[in-house]
Amino acid sequence: EVQLVESGGGLVQPGGSLRLSCAASEFTFNDYWMNWVRQAPGKGLEWVAIIRKDGTEELYTDSVKGRFTISRDNAKKSLYLQMNTLRPEDTAVYYCAGGGGWLITSWGQGTLVTVSS
Amino acid sequence: EIVLTQSPGTLSLSPGERATLSCRASQSVAKNYLAWYQQKLGQAPRLLISDASKRATGTPDRFSGSGSGTDFTLTISRLEPEDFAVFYCQQYATSPLTFGGGTKVEIK
Repeated sequence: EVQLVESGGGLVQPGGSLRLSCAASEFTFNDYWMNWVRQAPGKGLEWVAIIRKDGTEELYTDSVKGRFTISRDNAKKSLYLQMNTLRPEDTAVYYCAGGGGWLITSWGQGTLVTVSS
Repeated sequence: EIVLTQSPGTLSLSPGERATLSCRASQSVAKNYLAWYQQKLGQAPRLLISDASKRATGTPDRFSGSGSGTDFTLTISRLEPEDFAVFYCQQYATSPLTFGGGTKVEIK
């Protein structure tokens, strides 16, 4: 069974930076497109970014373009999200999620990011 | 951007009843690349349906998806106690990928 485990969440001040990681196991990581999806407290799901299997293509939702960078290391079976210039509205649980194409078939349990002074 | 509108926001039903959830897209979803996810409190979402009507591995056959173009429906034929949760539709045809706002199915 696909295993995705996020880490790196925490409390950060507005304007600060944070790097999330996602460790993958029990599947062929480089067969999957990988995403970050977030969920603000008590709210719905919001797609953040996706990266191609080989890391050569990245797409972002408009609200994070220029601030967030998705990346992956297939040798380490890991996904990352570098988050800069964080805003209070970025506060959310961030899920690592992936699938063979753009369809998300597997999800991690999430890591909470809180942006507050 | 394709905007997905789910209705109703909340559905109050009893176990054994039929649930019908709607997801309407602001423009046609190519190839009917529309998925449904179930999310229980404190848990990650779980894929139920892909390609508008294909049940994911492990999805009970009381869950069915239908529709095409801009109008999609998730039907739960007879609600079981474990089905009460929030359900999201998502299109994965066009970037940005988008989710609907969710429908909460609660016990009446």
